[in-house]
Amino acid sequence: QQQVKQSPQSLIVQKGGISIINCAYENTAFDYFPWYQQFPGKGPALLIAIRPDVSEKKEGRFTISFNKSAKQFSLHIMDSQPGDSATYFCAALMNRDDKIIFGKGTRLHILP
Amino acid sequence: EPEVTQTPSHQVTQMGQEVILRCVPISNHLYFYWYRQILGQKVEFLVSFYNNEISEKSEIFDDQFSVERPDGSNFTLKIRSTKLEDSAMYFCASKFSVRGEKLFFGSGTQLSVL
Repeated sequence: QQQVKQSPQSLIVQKGGISIINCAYENTAFDYFPWYQQFPGKGPALLIAIRPDVSEKKEGRFTISFNKSAKQFSLHIMDSQPGDSATYFCAALMNRDDKIIFGKGTRLHILP
Repeated sequence: EPEVTQTPSHQVTQMGQEVILRCVPISNHLYFYWYRQILGQKVEFLVSFYNNEISEKSEIFDDQFSVERPDGSNFTLKIRSTKLEDSAMYFCASKFSVRGEKLFFGSGTQLSVL
């Protein structure tokens, strides 16, 4: 119930392509869904986040799509660049808990 | 942008030894956290800390672990008697308010228990 399932484990995309990472959750009490980006040797950094009252949120080249009925959400990276190569974690939390439940991560590699 | 600072970046210790991992959260932040990431696995919550006491802890955070805010700037994680399975990257994090959405993570301390 507390898990967030993330796929794929790794992803290779050509420069300029669209990178798509998917996540699913079970616990309907989750009410905040952030995506974190992690570069080697660094801690996770908040990239973009969404609440379940909206179906999409866009910030620059990054878009979260949220399907509340399916309990799924995804990150789309448009016009992917080599600098986007990193590990991406989806996550979920309940405000009342204040702890982040992370997915297992996706290693994204953008080919130059 | 302000940063969470962690020291040391790497720590090697013998099994059974005590280690203290140190963190300097962002100065006006009030909520502090430790997470860990075993190599190749997901980031896992360990403990949250507010107003000089633990708010919540995970089942990983057993009696061998403790946290402390010894002064106005540092936040430490102590592992009393390290085990091989404690080898992981430990991340400190902080945020200003409990409802604050942006959690700031440090760069981590890689702990290797031999």
